[in-house]
Amino acid sequence: GESVGLHLPTLSVQEGDNSIINCAYSNSASDYFIWYKQESGKGPQFIIDIRSNMDKRQGQRVTVLLNKTVKHLSLQIAATQPGDSAVYFCAENTAGRRALTFGSGTRLQVQP
Amino acid sequence: DAGVIQSPRHEVTEMGQEVTLRCKPISGHDYLFWYRQTMMRGLELLIYFNNNVPIDDSGMPEDRFSAKMPNASFSTLKIQPSEPRDSAVYFCASSVVLGEQFFGPGTRLTVL
Repeated sequence: GESVGLHLPTLSVQEGDNSIINCAYSNSASDYFIWYKQESGKGPQFIIDIRSNMDKRQGQRVTVLLNKTVKHLSLQIAATQPGDSAVYFCAENTAGRRALTFGSGTRLQVQP
Repeated sequence: DAGVIQSPRHEVTEMGQEVTLRCKPISGHDYLFWYRQTMMRGLELLIYFNNNVPIDDSGMPEDRFSAKMPNASFSTLKIQPSEPRDSAVYFCASSVVLGEQFFGPGTRLTVL
């Protein structure tokens, strides 16, 4: 598919386990962060977002944690399912600029 | 809504030829983005528009690349002349507000 290349860091988990995907960012002025999921042959799909005035936000099976002190973002997926297998990107945005800066991505492989 | 529509889905051309990629954003979205995705460089922003006006084209690689948005429902990305190093997947995305950008399925371009 059109996804990404073969040299991404890969996280392999068993179905039903929890997954944690990490992302480091460098711009201390970034004030908005998003996680995207990209399945093979598809465009990135929005998962969850968080603003810099928060340190945690929860979705249906996902939680995003933000640590501004060390410029670190993580995505936690509870009870990982085979359908969660994809490449996950974090993206950041700086106030006043609409465009996002994407990280390099992590490939999540869910073993049945 | 059909989402962001891109055409063609696949394009194979020879070096030196002109390539035109097309995008129809989601109706009502004021922002349109063009991204390029490669194994080596990941997902890169090329240019984005607000209300049909180019706002930031600092990601456009060189003068061979040009983008237009003649109206709110259509944008093109043109490469002339194309080179093998332009081979990539090109995504178009649109958004209403900061953050959640909706991506199209992408165009896989191969320049021989």
